[in-house]
Amino acid sequence: DVVLTQSPVSLPVTPGEPASMSCRSSQSLLDSDDGNTYLDWYLQKPGQSPQLLIHTLSHRASGVPDRFSGSGSGTDFTLKISRVETEDVGTYFCMQRIAFPCTFGQGTRVEIK
Amino acid sequence: QVRLVQSGAEVKKPGASVRVACKASGYIFNDYYIHWVRQAPGQGLEWMGWFNSDTGGTKCAQQFQDRVTMTTDRSSNTAYMEVKKLRSDDTAVYFCARAPRLAASGGPDYWGQGTLVTVSS
Repeated sequence: DVVLTQSPVSLPVTPGEPASMSCRSSQSLLDSDDGNTYLDWYLQKPGQSPQLLIHTLSHRASGVPDRFSGSGSGTDFTLKISRVETEDVGTYFCMQRIAFPCTFGQGTRVEIK
Repeated sequence: QVRLVQSGAEVKKPGASVRVACKASGYIFNDYYIHWVRQAPGQGLEWMGWFNSDTGGTKCAQQFQDRVTMTTDRSSNTAYMEVKKLRSDDTAVYFCARAPRLAASGGPDYWGQGTLVTVSS
């Protein structure tokens, strides 16, 4: 199975400041047939279901603020928040869906300093 | 609007079975896959499998292949996931989520509220 390793495990942030987190894959998530990278990012707020932020490496999901951006290539990926807001608190998961079975990273918990 | 509404919490004994329902509305049911994901208490997300609502095809992670069955009822736009031979480590919140059939269009985007399944003697 593809292993996704997220870092850091915990990320204290200051509202208004930028933040970033990493997701590294044990194998490339680039589909050489269509050129797409099948890496998604989710935010799970406390007590809620996960919500899709970014799909296919860098495409923001509908309704997601433009302060969220996804980037990377091959096996190294980054989620950036340009200016953190208090509502961004929660656990962020990356997920790959190029290889069977789909797998998730273990999560990065974002908390306000 | 798109909604996935799941059935209520269940308490089961080891060895029993549980079926979780996921009723979809607000979109064309057959145009999307249904994924199932679970989350043990205080843990991360574990992908279980998907169901192709159009063809009826399914794909299940290996560790669940012998015990998990995914089905749908197109007449009511409801997806079901049954887990048999429950063990204590199956205690988790089970989520359903829809995903576009075309992978490039995105991953699981709308999720149900989750169903807590507790396995205890």
